[in-house]
Amino acid sequence: EAGVAQSPRYKIIEKRQSVAFWCNPISGHATLYWYQQILGQGPKLLIQFQNNGVVDDSQLPKDRFSAERLKGVDSTLKIQPAKLEDSAVYLCASSLQGGDNSPLHFGNGTRLTVT
Amino acid sequence: GEDVEQSLFLSVREGDSSVINCTYTDSSSTYLYWYKQEPGAGLQLLTYIFSNMDMKQDQRLTVLLNKKDKHLSLRIADTQTGDSAIYFCAERNYGQNFVFGPGTRLSVLP
Repeated sequence: EAGVAQSPRYKIIEKRQSVAFWCNPISGHATLYWYQQILGQGPKLLIQFQNNGVVDDSQLPKDRFSAERLKGVDSTLKIQPAKLEDSAVYLCASSLQGGDNSPLHFGNGTRLTVT
Repeated sequence: GEDVEQSLFLSVREGDSSVINCTYTDSSSTYLYWYKQEPGAGLQLLTYIFSNMDMKQDQRLTVLLNKKDKHLSLRIADTQTGDSAIYFCAERNYGQNFVFGPGTRLSVLP
């Protein structure tokens, strides 16, 4: 099966600019996650979708971050305006369903550098 | 709150066994996972264990779970240079959230 697809792979922007990341999960996976991975740390959850509804966005800095999954498949994550501390790898993951044992399958991530 | 701890670095010689340790705080964890991350890539699922199990073996990988001490370990037998990567321990609780540790960087020396 095809894995989780993310684009772009790399992005360099200046602070206060905006940026968007795209994710296409594994076909049939109802649950989609966005994680932020700062260099040297483990991934931290930003937002979790179940189909096209938000399950958990408690860790999302909503003053500058937004995410949507309009048709329950692809998702976009936007940062506007970006800050230096947003430099990180943004990982998208999907799982078959939110309950029971459905492990996360990760994409290769988008590495964001904010200068 | 939930917290997952790991030692940050481990070096072993090729052919030796590697043991990566992890401790977690959430006693309601249902599943515990080990993921591997190679440079420039996302996290790849290696193995997982249900919280009512003590041990799981999968080829060169052995997972041990001590639920009383909230301690999880991953043993890699006959470690190869291709095993050099960062290994993340993660717990999943009844809230269905995944919480990851900071990762252990495994270096395999020839």
